[in-house]
Amino acid sequence: AQTVTQSQPEMSVQEAETVTLSCTYDTSENNYYLFWYKQPPSRQMILVIRQEAYKQQNATENRFSVNFQKAAKSFSLKISDSQLGDTAMYFCAFMMTGNQFYFGTGTSLTVIP
Amino acid sequence: DTEVTQTPKHLVMGMTNKKSLKCEQHMGHRAMYWYKQKAKKPPELMFVYSYEKLSINESVPSRFSPECPNSSLLNLHLHALQPEDSALYLCASSQLGTGGLETNEKLFFGSGTQLSVL
Repeated sequence: AQTVTQSQPEMSVQEAETVTLSCTYDTSENNYYLFWYKQPPSRQMILVIRQEAYKQQNATENRFSVNFQKAAKSFSLKISDSQLGDTAMYFCAFMMTGNQFYFGTGTSLTVIP
Repeated sequence: DTEVTQTPKHLVMGMTNKKSLKCEQHMGHRAMYWYKQKAKKPPELMFVYSYEKLSINESVPSRFSPECPNSSLLNLHLHALQPEDSALYLCASSQLGTGGLETNEKLFFGSGTQLSVL
């Protein structure tokens, strides 16, 4: 079974500062995808960033970047220049073959003005 | 059209009622998913349909009955639910039905149905 763990249930960051959210996962698969999804109070699930396991280069999307350490099974999300609209639940997620898609435990991020 | 549409947005039902949740996508995606999400918890995978066939059932009680009438539509039939089944039910779709991992594969989510069982 695949497990995805986020060790920080809650975090806060000052507006314009940088914050890093942690995620570790456990799998015996070699080919998989990793994602960070954001769920604001509206509860709409929004894709933030994705990473293919076979790619060594870390993914970036504007203010969002990841640090993917395959051997350590670690996948952290860095948010730069935090904005009030970044306040949300953040879920790390794992996808493997067979349409198996599982979420981590979640981190509640609050951006403080 | 990059939307997954879920109806209704809110549903209140009694424990003896029968109701259905509906999910629709017109992106040509061949895999569709149902998730259950309790407040402040991650979504839990319930069912996956690939090419309109049930491919994953995460040991969900039989009072939840999924149906995929065609490649664009996914239903979740509800019967004899319990109060602990109250939750947000999320539908999602992804491009491939084969289950392989292809470039740009990701899940698109609907906005959910908030279900209350009285």
